Amino acid sequence: EIVLTQSPATLSLSPGERATLSCRASQSVSSYLAWYQQKPGQAPRLLIYDASNRATGIPARFSGSGSGTDFTLTISSLEPEDFAVYYCQQRSNWPRYTFGQGTKLEIK
Amino acid sequence: QVQLVESGGGVVQPGRSLRLSCAASGFTFSSYGMHWVRQAPGKGLEWVAVIWYDGSNKYYADSVKGRFTISRDNSKNTLYLQMNSLRAEDTAVYYCAREGWGTGYCSGGSCYSKGYYFDYWGQGTLVTVSS
Repeated sequence: EIVLTQSPATLSLSPGERATLSCRASQSVSSYLAWYQQKPGQAPRLLIYDASNRATGIPARFSGSGSGTDFTLTISSLEPEDFAVYYCQQRSNWPRYTFGQGTKLEIK
Repeated sequence: QVQLVESGGGVVQPGRSLRLSCAASGFTFSSYGMHWVRQAPGKGLEWVAVIWYDGSNKYYADSVKGRFTISRDNSKNTLYLQMNSLRAEDTAVYYCAREGWGTGYCSGGSCYSKGYYFDYWGQGTLVTVSS
């Protein structure tokens, strides 16, 4: 089973700053990686799929990069509504799926 | 617009059963694989099960295999999760989620999803297993 490890566990930044979140896979997942945002009491929302493709309606300040085992979600300039928990996800031994443990992005 | 609305959650004793439903609208339900994903209180996301667009294939997480059954009724645009032999560790918010299109394909005049990500989610339904 492929394990996804996200870092850091918590990231403290201020609005307007740049956020860089990492997701590392225990073995190559090619570009089959997605990112989600989850706010308290809400369902997750798809941000990025195939490592770098923004989902419908996602602002351009969100971008994804990487392939193989190392992936990054970047938020270029944080807005107040961006403070949330972020998860990466991939197909592990398809058709089974795994998520990273999450990164909490909090206001500094 | 795509909508997924779960129902059927509640408090149930260990060892008992519960059936969750997810009513879908705003898209061609019979063209998409559908999933259940759960989240224990204060914890991360855990994939539970998937069913292909036509119900022909179903796969489960090891943690629920043999106890949970995913099914669908394409005539009613509804997804189900039958949960038997419930345990305290099954306590979670259960989300239904639509599979992203991915490398979807068309055959015989119909098109079908083949994605690994989840592009729409319901609001979730809470299942609490407690005596």
